[in-house]
Amino acid sequence: NAGVTQTPKFQVLKTGQSMTLQCAQDMNHNSMYWYRQDPGMGLRLIYYSASEGTTDKGEVPNGYNVSRLNKREFSLRLESAAPSQTSVYFCASNLGGELFFGEGSRLTVL
Amino acid sequence: AQSVTQLDSHVSVSEGTPVLLRCNYSSSYSPSLFWYVQHPNKGLQLLLKYTSAATLVKGINGFEAEFKKSETSFHLTKPSAHMSDAAEYFCVVTPNSASKIIFGSGTRLSIRP
Repeated sequence: NAGVTQTPKFQVLKTGQSMTLQCAQDMNHNSMYWYRQDPGMGLRLIYYSASEGTTDKGEVPNGYNVSRLNKREFSLRLESAAPSQTSVYFCASNLGGELFFGEGSRLTVL
Repeated sequence: AQSVTQLDSHVSVSEGTPVLLRCNYSSSYSPSLFWYVQHPNKGLQLLLKYTSAATLVKGINGFEAEFKKSETSFHLTKPSAHMSDAAEYFCVVTPNSASKIIFGSGTRLSIRP
């Protein structure tokens, strides 16, 4: 039972570098989400995908892009990383409103 | 549009005393509401959910929450706190199952021996 799998778990970037966070789920869920978690701010929604082929902005989309490659995979891309994007990123899939989370990806931008 | 407000950023109680974590929501539609828990350096776990059935919802580890439409609240309670309840708790609202799912800012629960 893999559930939701995120890679990488840890990453250190320099300002201006780009990277992609990968997320895959094997539960056949339609909706997938990317959140970032910062101390004292809870989880903030970056982007979500209600179904394959669609994506929508969340609360904090600036500086990010997403791709819903197929029903299983939903990737998050930072084109030019900034220190303000240092955070823990969580991918999740959704069934009936209940979220199923990956283990998180800790990203540090120097 | 929907929003959720957790009224306390930090709650501290003594072991064996009741716990109350407060959550108010705003939604244009009849919402589904959830509470999640995150223990230190761990992922998020569903505690309980309200999806328009019974207004009093029971969850795991002795927690429960009551949906009060007139007060737009969904407060989380537990009769007797245990040391293992120390964690961050998040209230979540969604108007339907395939839309934006918004988290509250979280309440950190500390338990005093």
